[in-house]
Amino acid sequence: NAGVTQTPKFRVLKTGQSMTLLCAQDMNHEYMYWYRQDPGMGLRLIHYSVGEGTTAKGEVPDGYNVSRLKKQNFLLGLESAAPSQTSVYFCASSFLAENTGELFFGEGSRLTVL
Amino acid sequence: AQSVTQLDSQVPVFEEAPVELRCNYSSSVSVYLFWYVQYPNQGLQLLLKYLSGSTLVKGINGFEAEFNKSQTSFHLRKPSVHISDTAEYFCAVSLTGKLIFGQGTTLQVKP
Repeated sequence: NAGVTQTPKFRVLKTGQSMTLLCAQDMNHEYMYWYRQDPGMGLRLIHYSVGEGTTAKGEVPDGYNVSRLKKQNFLLGLESAAPSQTSVYFCASSFLAENTGELFFGEGSRLTVL
Repeated sequence: AQSVTQLDSQVPVFEEAPVELRCNYSSSVSVYLFWYVQYPNQGLQLLLKYLSGSTLVKGINGFEAEFNKSQTSFHLRKPSVHISDTAEYFCAVSLTGKLIFGQGTTLQVKP
């Protein structure tokens, strides 16, 4: 019962470096999402995908890119990391759209940008 | 803009006491409402949801919530909490097709 798996779980970057977070789900869900969680701000949607080959911007997309080449994978990229991107990142997936369906979350990826 | 407000950032309570975590939202149209729980070092998981029907919704682990349209609230309650309920709780509202999360309430259950 893997559900939603995120890698890596922890990463430290220097300003300007790039990296990719990988999210994999084994539930055959159409919808996938990337959120960031910051203290006192809840979760904010970065990008999302409603199916293989599609992506869309969420609430805070600047500085991030995503790709959904395979249905089960959703990648989040940072091309030039900034300290403001220090956060905990959560991937989620759902069978229905997020406004009616249950979201299944990964355990999070903690990113620190120095 | 639509918003979700969780009125308490932290709620300390003794074991076996009742608890209420408050959530208010701003909208004059129909909404879908959710409560998620996040245990330490884990992702969020769904506690309960209101889409339509009965305004009293029962969820997992003995939690329930009541949708009050006139007060635009969706407060979460449990009659008797356990140490294992210590976690962060997020209210979420779907207003324009997207989920908006509240800031979270940390429930601290003390022995």
